[in-house]
Order: sequence, then C-alpha cells, then structure tokens
Amino acid sequence: DQQVKQNSPSLSVQEGRISILNCDYTNSMFDYFLWYKKYPAEGPTFLISISSIKDKNEDGRFTVFLNKSAKHLSLHIVPSQPGDSAVYFCAASAAFPSGGGADGLTFGKGTHLIIQP
Amino acid sequence: NAGVMQNPRHLVRRRGQEARLRCSPMKGHSHVYWYRQLPEEGLKFMVYLQKENIIDESGMPKERFSAEFPKEGPSILRIQQVVRGDSAAYFCASSPNRQGPGTEAFFGQGTRLTVV
Repeated sequence: DQQVKQNSPSLSVQEGRISILNCDYTNSMFDYFLWYKKYPAEGPTFLISISSIKDKNEDGRFTVFLNKSAKHLSLHIVPSQPGDSAVYFCAASAAFPSGGGADGLTFGKGTHLIIQP
Repeated sequence: NAGVMQNPRHLVRRRGQEARLRCSPMKGHSHVYWYRQLPEEGLKFMVYLQKENIIDESGMPKERFSAEFPKEGPSILRIQQVVRGDSAAYFCASSPNRQGPGTEAFFGQGTRLTVV
C-alpha cells in the first residue's frame, strides 16, 4: 500500500523552462512534506519542505505547492538548469504517528528529471 | 563539519554471512534513521534511534535485522544470514532532534549491499 505516489517515473524539460513534479498521498495524518534530490551513487539531499498549515513555500528557484483537499503537492523549478537533472523524491511524515505508523519519512518512488539543453 | 558518514560504501556478502553497516551522524546529531532502497523503489523507513535507545523499529523486518546506536561510536545496522533479497542501498540520516518542521534530516551517501 503506497501512501506517497509519484506517478511519473521520468520527466524531460528543456533548459530554462519550468519543471513541475507531482506527488499524491493517501494518509490524511501526514502533515509535513519534503522534497529530496538525489544524484546517482549519492544520498538524498534535502531541497524544500512545507507544513500542512501552509499551501505554498518558496526558496529561490524552487516552490512547493500543497493542496490538502486533493492530497496533492507539486514542486516547481523555474528556470530549470542542467544541474537540476536528478531523481526527485517526495516524502511525508506525521507529527504523531499512530496505528503502527513510522517516525521516519514515507517516500515516493521518485521522478527522474532530465533537463535538455 | 563533516556530513553523515557511512561505511563501507560497497559491501559484498555471500548468502548466509553477516553484514554490518556503520553510520556516524553529523556532529551534534543524536537522532539516527535507517532507510533501505530496493532497485527502482523509493526509500523505505526501517528504524529510528536515539543514543542507546530504539525509538521506532516499525519498518524493520522481524528476523535477522537489528540496529543499535551506542553511547560511544557509530550506529550499526546488522543483518544476519543475508539472502539475495537483502541486496539494496542502505541509507542513514541524522538530525539534532526528531525530524520535523525546521529539523530536516541529513542523509549519508549510503552503503550498497550486494549478496551473492
């Protein structure tokens, strides 16, 4: 039972354009969401996060939008740069895990973003 | 300030052997999380430890797997009698407090375990 879903395994975007990565979740207890970026043979690197009390958080070229009613979040990267090519993981956590829920993060399967010159 | 250090980076074990994966958290971090990533999958939470205590092991397989975080030294993830299905990348993350808003965890580079 996948509680965090990234339905696009890969996404190709032209350099300079906007990249939009999507993520859906099913667990209504999740109240904190993060995006991680991962290069091959390296660990995930924290990118940006959003708490459920907000619907938008911006940090430079990166903006995360949260739609709680739709249980959907998205990461916007604008403008996209070649160095953005990586796998992006959406992750979620609950402040008060219950019912066997974990203290750790629940990750999606990732979206491989490819920025084309 | 060194980041989260995991060793070894690569580990090859024969079926039935033991695998010991080490994680040294960032300086000042006393909270450690272990995750496993199978091929083509996302990271799956395994266990959350504070110094000398296991806080949450709800993601750990019931048999053969154990974890510790002693008062001195690195956190250790131990897999006994490894099987081919244990082949995966194992990531450790650390944080100064329980991870949450404003307290993101930092990941190590991972240990790639291959069982032959």
